[in-house]
Formats: sequence, C-alpha cells, structure tokens
Amino acid sequence: DQQVKQNSPSLSVQEGRISILNCDYTNSMFDYFLWYKKYPAEGPTFLISISSIKDKNEDGRFTVFLNKSAKHLSLHIVPSQPGDSAVYFCAASLYGGATNKLIFGTGTLLAVQP
Amino acid sequence: ETGVTQTPRHLVMGMTNKKSLKCEQHLGHNAMYWYKQSAKKPLELMFVYNFKEQTENNSVPSRFSPECPNSSHLFLHLHTLQPEDSALYLCASSQGQQAPDFYEQYFGPGTRLTVT
Repeated sequence: DQQVKQNSPSLSVQEGRISILNCDYTNSMFDYFLWYKKYPAEGPTFLISISSIKDKNEDGRFTVFLNKSAKHLSLHIVPSQPGDSAVYFCAASLYGGATNKLIFGTGTLLAVQP
Repeated sequence: ETGVTQTPRHLVMGMTNKKSLKCEQHLGHNAMYWYKQSAKKPLELMFVYNFKEQTENNSVPSRFSPECPNSSHLFLHLHTLQPEDSALYLCASSQGQQAPDFYEQYFGPGTRLTVT
C-alpha cells in the first residue's frame, strides 16, 4: 500500500496563476517532507522541504503547507511560469534505524500554459 | 562531468543476457542509492550504500546485484531479468545518510531498461 499518494496525475494552469499540487500520506512517523521536480530526460531535483514540526515553508514563488491532522501537504507555485512545467514528486522521510529513506509519491505532471 | 552521471542512458536486453548499469557522482558524497521507477508507480528504493557499505536491500530479487567499489561509483549488475523489470533505473547520491544530509538527494538522468 502506498504511504505517499499524489491523486492527481496531471494539472494544467495558465501562466501567472497559482498552481496547487497536493499530496497525502498515511504514516504518522514521517518527520520531514520534500518536493522534487523532474524535467524529461533528467533526474529529479530537490525543490523545497518542510519539517513535520512546521506548517509552512516559503522559498520565493514556492510555498509548502503541511496539515498534520489531515496528513496532507501541498505545494503552491505563484505566479506559475512555463518553465515550471515538469513532474512534481512529493516525498516523505522515514528516519531511524540503519537506513534513512525517502518514500516517494507517483508524481503530478504540471503543465503551465503561456 | 558534474553532478551524477549514468551510463548507458538506454539499454535493451534479453532475459538471458548479463549487463551492468554504471553510476558516478562528482559531488564528494558518501551515500549512494539505486531507485526503480516503473510506469505509474512511485520511485522505489532498491539499495543504499553509505561509505561503500550496503545498508539497505529493499527486498530486491537476487537477479539485481549492486556493487560499490568506492564512494564515487555504483554499479547495478543485471542477469536473467524478466520483462516486468523493464523500468527507469535512477541512481542518486547524498552528502550522508544522517538527517538532514539525506533529504536532498542528487539524481542522475536514469537508464531506461527494456527487457525483451
């Protein structure tokens, strides 16, 4: 069973508007959450993260919100730009024991229309 | 070369072949990872190496055999694969395996493997 879920496989947004990508998780032991971005023919790259003890983290046009009671996080991009078109992966950190792991979602393809 | 490189970028192999995937990181990192991404599935962690020592084998079948001769190089040896092993295989590295180092992983572009 998937511990990190991205239920929207794709999202289309107009340039200049807000993009909201959503992610749900099931494991309350996750201590850190991250978003990665992937362009075609490239590997994923780290975008932004949030600790489980916070509810918001902002970096320029990107803001991640965490709702622990709902086990839900979201990534807001505002204003959206055509260069933001990519697949966005939500990931959660499972820390402890011999190995620390990132658990990824299936990704959401964002298309920003000019 | 900079970042994380992977070769080959594409590989087609028969079920009886033996091949190897290569990953090299030029970042001075100490931890390296193999992930598998199948269609419409999340990235699945396969193996973790920390300072050349394997610390995780995520129930991967023995037809996949990793090798980490030093902290900069990681191989995935493949033999007698099945068609369902066709996927994108991604290598990644991180400064270390402790928090917060392992949160930010640097990925290579991947090897697209097709097993016929």
